Amino acid sequence: NAGVTQTPKFQVLKTGQSMTLQCAQDMNHNSMYWYRQDPGMGLRLIYYSASEGTTDKGEVPNGYNVSRLNKREFSLRLESAAPSQTSVYFCASSEVTGAWDKNIQYFGAGTRLSVL
Amino acid sequence: LAKTTQPISMDSYEGQEVNITCSHNNIATNDYITWYQQFPSQGPRFIIQGYKTKVTNEVASLFIPADRKSSTLSLPRVSLSDTAVYYCLVGAEDDKIIFGKGTRLHILP
Repeated sequence: NAGVTQTPKFQVLKTGQSMTLQCAQDMNHNSMYWYRQDPGMGLRLIYYSASEGTTDKGEVPNGYNVSRLNKREFSLRLESAAPSQTSVYFCASSEVTGAWDKNIQYFGAGTRLSVL
Repeated sequence: LAKTTQPISMDSYEGQEVNITCSHNNIATNDYITWYQQFPSQGPRFIIQGYKTKVTNEVASLFIPADRKSSTLSLPRVSLSDTAVYYCLVGAEDDKIIFGKGTRLHILP
């Protein structure tokens, strides 16, 4: 099983350029997430999608947009990249959401993005 | 949202048992306690989850006292490959699981 697949693995952008990070999961999970991780830091939630057709902001949504294309795919778009968005981006999925359930997230390998 | 507190870093030696304790004083009745492991340049990986008492799997054990205000992840006989960051997570706020900075575990030869 592939699990959670992210593309690309690496990307270098110039300030002001745009790009879309792709994420797909093959576990039939309802929920999907985008995180960023800066060096030496924990993960910070950017956006999440509790189910197909819904998206919500996380801790650090500014400068990003997302699309839940279907149940499998959840993309993250940077419309005008800034050096402050240099980070490692992780996509994750889980079967259920909420504090009432056993929310176990499965992560992709990450996309390493540098904005010059 | 139940906030968690765990040590920033720990060192141990190969072959030792390592215990990482997480405090979560405000844990809610329905919250589960979940631990993740993250190796350098990889995404976090689920290790273990529990609600009360003790849970054991092939990787680790999780000890949760009766009041559930803390939990301890136990890694038996660690090796160099257990060097990683370990995250303790409890509950969620509005469907959002929040990761803290975790505990950076360094295993020495």
